[in-house]
Amino acid sequence: KAGVTQTPRYLIKTRGQQVTLSCSPISGHRSVSWYQQTPGQGLQFLFEYFSETQRNKGNFPGRFSGRQFSNSRSEMNVSTLELGDSALYLCASSLSPGAGNTIYFGEGSWLTVV
Amino acid sequence: DAKTTQPPSMDCAEGRAANLPCNHSTISGNEYVYWYRQIHSQGPQYIIHGLKNNETNEMASLIITEDRKSSTLILPHATLRDTAVYYCIQTQGGSEKLVFGKGTKLTVNP
Repeated sequence: KAGVTQTPRYLIKTRGQQVTLSCSPISGHRSVSWYQQTPGQGLQFLFEYFSETQRNKGNFPGRFSGRQFSNSRSEMNVSTLELGDSALYLCASSLSPGAGNTIYFGEGSWLTVV
Repeated sequence: DAKTTQPPSMDCAEGRAANLPCNHSTISGNEYVYWYRQIHSQGPQYIIHGLKNNETNEMASLIITEDRKSSTLILPHATLRDTAVYYCIQTQGGSEKLVFGKGTKLTVNP
């Protein structure tokens, strides 16, 4: 069974541009979360979605947004990119939130802002 | 902030058991303990998780103390490929939000 799939795997953007990252959860999983990983801050929670509803949001500016579709696929968007947004963006999925289900991560999308 | 504390680094000889400790003294009744590991530049790999009973799978064993304030991840026969950063995470009830700390850098030596 396919794991969590994230696209694109690598991308380079210019300051001020916007970027959209995509996540396809494991088949049957309806909960999707996003994380940002940087050398300085480590792994930080961005958002959590379940049944197309955002259930939780981390401490990130409004430039970071996300959504989940009816097929559980999710996207996150970062607008007006800054150099500090360069990071590994990770998506995780599980069957449903808070029930002690196994949470699986994808391999991530590497974003470089120049 | 992360609610768990782990030693920053540990060493283990290849073939030996690696025992990674974690303190989660503020854990409440409906919060789980999850363990992940991350090898540089890859997504975190799920290892095991538990609520209050000890758990075992093909990768590792998780021993949770009776008061649930601490746990130990056991890799029974460590190999060089087990060298990674290991994260112990206490989930927040009703949520999939994982708050990562700095983890333990495990180095398996030949």
